[in-house]
Amino acid sequence: AQKITQTQPGMFVQEKEAVTLDCTYDTSDQSYGLFWYKQPSSGEMIFLIYQGSYDEQNATEGRYSLNFQKARKSANLVISASQLGDSAMYFCAMREGEGYQKVTFGIGTKLQVIP
Amino acid sequence: SAVISQKPSRDICQRGTSLTIQCQVDSQVTMMFWYRQQPGQSLTLIATANQGSEATYESGFVIDKFPISRPNLTFSTLTVSNMSPEDSSIYLCSAQSGYGGELFFGEGSRLTVL
Repeated sequence: AQKITQTQPGMFVQEKEAVTLDCTYDTSDQSYGLFWYKQPSSGEMIFLIYQGSYDEQNATEGRYSLNFQKARKSANLVISASQLGDSAMYFCAMREGEGYQKVTFGIGTKLQVIP
Repeated sequence: SAVISQKPSRDICQRGTSLTIQCQVDSQVTMMFWYRQQPGQSLTLIATANQGSEATYESGFVIDKFPISRPNLTFSTLTVSNMSPEDSSIYLCSAQSGYGGELFFGEGSRLTVL
């Protein structure tokens, strides 16, 4: 079974609007961490936001927030007030267990922001 | 956060040759990882580079094809051996920022094998 599932291969959003990128995960561990990364066309991987499995509140970082629904095993990324520079690939990822375990990535969602 | 430098940033290689990618971190890190990203695909973990011991390889990746060195806490190399066109990918070095922390990535090395 896929550890990380991203079902939206591509998404469009109007500039200044909000957009939600979906991510579901599969793990039997009680302790895990969820990450979102952005990869622009230049290729670098940019860390955006992190949510720990024991975190009570949804993580937020500026215009990024993570809608964490533990029972549904979903960790959707919400980008508010989209900007043209947000056009990129977005990857959801998970670390199972604690500490220095490996991180597994989903297949990504390509977001295009329309002026 | 760690700053990771990778080189070469890109290269064009001939079939059957080998290429070594270097990864330098600006601070000591416990864990370093090597990922492959094939064209239009996600990131796949090749191996965990362990300092002072042999790397831990993921299923489908073997030491003879992807030998890895990690001589200290700031440096690692990945060699892609006996390359074929199927090895054309972006190879990404990453380091973990701390216990349970996020991964930081180098700029990637884009290899094209002819």
